[in-house]
Amino acid sequence: NAGVTQTPKFQVLKTGQSMTLQCAQDMNHNSMYWYRQDPGMGLRLIYYSASEGTTDKGEVPNGYNVSRLNKREFSLRLESAAPSQTSVYFCASSELAFTGELFFGEGSRLTVL
Amino acid sequence: RKEVEQDPGPFNVPEGATVAFNCTYSNSASQSFFWYRQDCRKEPKLLMSVYSSGNEDGRFTAQLNRASQYISLLIRDSKLSDSATYLCVPHMTTDSWGKFQFGAGTQVVVTP
Repeated sequence: NAGVTQTPKFQVLKTGQSMTLQCAQDMNHNSMYWYRQDPGMGLRLIYYSASEGTTDKGEVPNGYNVSRLNKREFSLRLESAAPSQTSVYFCASSELAFTGELFFGEGSRLTVL
Repeated sequence: RKEVEQDPGPFNVPEGATVAFNCTYSNSASQSFFWYRQDCRKEPKLLMSVYSSGNEDGRFTAQLNRASQYISLLIRDSKLSDSATYLCVPHMTTDSWGKFQFGAGTQVVVTP
């Protein structure tokens, strides 16, 4: 049972390069999320998608774009990477928001030089 | 003031001992609370949900103090496997779907 799968797990970029983080879930969840985690900062929400066809900005959306490709997949794109985007990125999904249970992928570690 | 504040620790706990730590939240409208655990360099996983005054699950007890706006997590009979970072997440059920405000976490290190 794969759950939430993120790719790539590691990536090194140069400033100005672009890349897309892929996320797929096989739990038939409606809601999907992208978070970033930095030391001492906790998880911060970048974008989320309450259901297929909708996306909304979270706390720190600047410099990112997202696509909810279908119910399973939710991608995060960095158009022009900056060193401040060096972080660990987690994709998550949930069935019903009020249960509070988010299922996370293993994370993608991104370094921007 | 941050919306969610946690003592970063680390709390160094001998195996078998009890440890407790708090999470304070600023939004008095928070109605649900969640504790996640995160192992080093791994993804967070849900440990416990709290919808009323508290919850108990085995060695873990969460206690909510709405008047003082904090929630505590107590771990009894600590195991080496309890070493992790514990993230507090208050949530308003009337809030937008995505708004789970994570605390920065409290690190617990259980020593032999």
